[in-house]
Amino acid sequence: ETGVTQSPTHLIKTRGQQVTLRCSSQSGHNTVSWYQQALGQGPQFIFQYYREEENGRGNFPPRFSGLQFPNYSSELNVNALELDDSALYLCASSPSADTQYFGPGTRLTVL
Amino acid sequence: QKEVEQNSGPLSVPEGAIASLNCTYSDRGSQSFFWYRQYSGKSPELIMFIYSNGDKEDGRFTAQLNKASQYVSLLIRDSQPSDSATYLCAVNRDTGRRALTFGSGTRLQVQP
Repeated sequence: ETGVTQSPTHLIKTRGQQVTLRCSSQSGHNTVSWYQQALGQGPQFIFQYYREEENGRGNFPPRFSGLQFPNYSSELNVNALELDDSALYLCASSPSADTQYFGPGTRLTVL
Repeated sequence: QKEVEQNSGPLSVPEGAIASLNCTYSDRGSQSFFWYRQYSGKSPELIMFIYSNGDKEDGRFTAQLNKASQYVSLLIRDSQPSDSATYLCAVNRDTGRRALTFGSGTRLQVQP
């Protein structure tokens, strides 16, 4: 049990729509990262937030955006959904540089 | 060339044997190295991390790092059927930013 929760578990959207995924991490975990995992691939880093500021971003377009809140929750927003956005989206919170604990993920299907 | 390369497998070993999982990385600036286990339909769970050249042991698991060869491995002793999963190798260039770069994983099958 990592103490990281995500919602919803599964989501189905159509191309062009917008989606918001949510993550809640443990108190004191100031850093949260989001990853996208396509089927059969390893997770790919989307971006990271530290104390409510984005401080690192992977090779993802601006239509992927995020927020982190003072209560250790965060959001991933994706606009103008494309078929290739279908994936497992993982949130990871970090108490230290040594460790990132993943939540259970949100399975997004774009039709 | 992928930044982190792993053999996709499956790697099949009998119960009780040693499973050896390998990973190579391309960025010589990588600072920290991680092994995650992922069961089908689940999220990755951290097994262990290693920073320095050499071996690091934790229970049945041993991580080995050779920075000169840009090589990381994970040994699982006394493999159990419950160890059957995909094992993901990940590296981090900047520990201040926890942006892990993952390989595609190696699927391990432990045969009873």
